[in-house]
Amino acid sequence: EPEVTQTPSHQVTQMGQEVILRCVPISNHLYFYWYRQILGQKVEFLVSFYNNEISEKSEIFDDQFSVERPDGSNFTLKIRSTKLEDSAMYFCASSVKETQYFGPGTRLLVL
Amino acid sequence: GDSVTQMEGPVTLSEEAFLTINCTYTATGYPSLFWYVQYPGEGLQLLLKATKADDKGSNKGFEATYRKETTSFHLEKGSVQVSDSAVYFCALILTGGGNKLTFGTGTQLKVEL
Repeated sequence: EPEVTQTPSHQVTQMGQEVILRCVPISNHLYFYWYRQILGQKVEFLVSFYNNEISEKSEIFDDQFSVERPDGSNFTLKIRSTKLEDSAMYFCASSVKETQYFGPGTRLLVL
Repeated sequence: GDSVTQMEGPVTLSEEAFLTINCTYTATGYPSLFWYVQYPGEGLQLLLKATKADDKGSNKGFEATYRKETTSFHLEKGSVQVSDSAVYFCALILTGGGNKLTFGTGTQLKVEL
């Protein structure tokens, strides 16, 4: 069964550094998403992407964040200058229509 | 705004007990409703869904019925197993209103022998 994959599974970085989280969505899916889950809190929507552009973003998704689909298979989330409060589990998801399938997540720790 | 409210956890049950996890929602339009499950150390897996009122979603012995009159989507299972121990998230997406999933806070279920 096709699945969403994410790399790396864990990332430790210093405050102020740039990080890129990578995702390979399910191949025939058209919509791509990033969510995050701070430890012990609810899963929060960050951004959705369709037809090579952002279709919706949350208040969390400020100028420090960007997304890109650099080729036909990868979907990336870049955080330009990480803050301590960016420490969280980041989930990528993809969908054909409304049912979204999630990857296993990247646990980001900012020190 | 749209929101999902779930019962507080953790819920601790003995194996073979009946499970109910309550979920209610507030939405400005007509949502589709989902339950996702997160096993320890893993990502979110779709458990079941319902897209319109009175639909029943079911999977792996779990069921939930979309009740528009009570704005609820309670998750039930007749006989839980230790392997069902996980965090369960109720979520909604507005039909025709974008593709953003709005999640509840999650309910941790612990099943003991």
